[in-house]
Amino acid sequence: GAGVSQTPSNKVTEKGKYVELRCDPISGHTALYWYRQSLGQGPEFLIYFQGTGAADDSGLPNDRFFAVRPEGSVSTLKIQRTERGDSAVYLCASSTVGAGEQYFGPGTRLTVT
Amino acid sequence: DAKTTQPPSMDCAEGRAANLPCNHSTISGNEYVYWYRQIHSQGPQYIIHGLKNNETNEMASLIITEDRKSSTLILPHATLRDTAVYYCIVRVLLARGEKLTFGTGTRLTIIP
Repeated sequence: GAGVSQTPSNKVTEKGKYVELRCDPISGHTALYWYRQSLGQGPEFLIYFQGTGAADDSGLPNDRFFAVRPEGSVSTLKIQRTERGDSAVYLCASSTVGAGEQYFGPGTRLTVT
Repeated sequence: DAKTTQPPSMDCAEGRAANLPCNHSTISGNEYVYWYRQIHSQGPQYIIHGLKNNETNEMASLIITEDRKSSTLILPHATLRDTAVYYCIVRVLLARGEKLTFGTGTRLTIIP
């Protein structure tokens, strides 16, 4: 079956612009996660959704970052007033509730110039 | 979540068993050991997890010491496609989902 998909695969934007990154989870997975990965580092947790609601957003670095999942399926990560330090690969994962493993998408590489 | 310690890099000859160690001396009784790997330019991939018994699946085996303070991931017959960064993670398995806390992992290189 189809895995987790993320669009776009690459995004280049100028400092100060607004960007949206999209995640399509595996069908039927109620849990959805966003992570961010900087070069040479492991992925860093940002936010977790259970259904439509954010169950844990403790990893969002500041109020420029926001994520939604209005219908409990597709999720969008939104970054306002982008900064060069936001450049990273943004990963999305999904899972069934109570399952141990998370399934990751290929990521969106964001470059802020 | 308990902290893990892994060697930064390892090499293994193709066709041999790759043994990747992980120390988690502060692990709690209800925390599981998970292994993921990340091949270059891809998202992390789940490999295996366990609580206290040894586990085996089609990808690997997981050996957890009796005191649960360390574990070893074994890839029985390593191939070039197993070259990746391997992450050992310990976490509680809750009825709801739970975030993963990644360290910097072990970069495994399979040598032809």
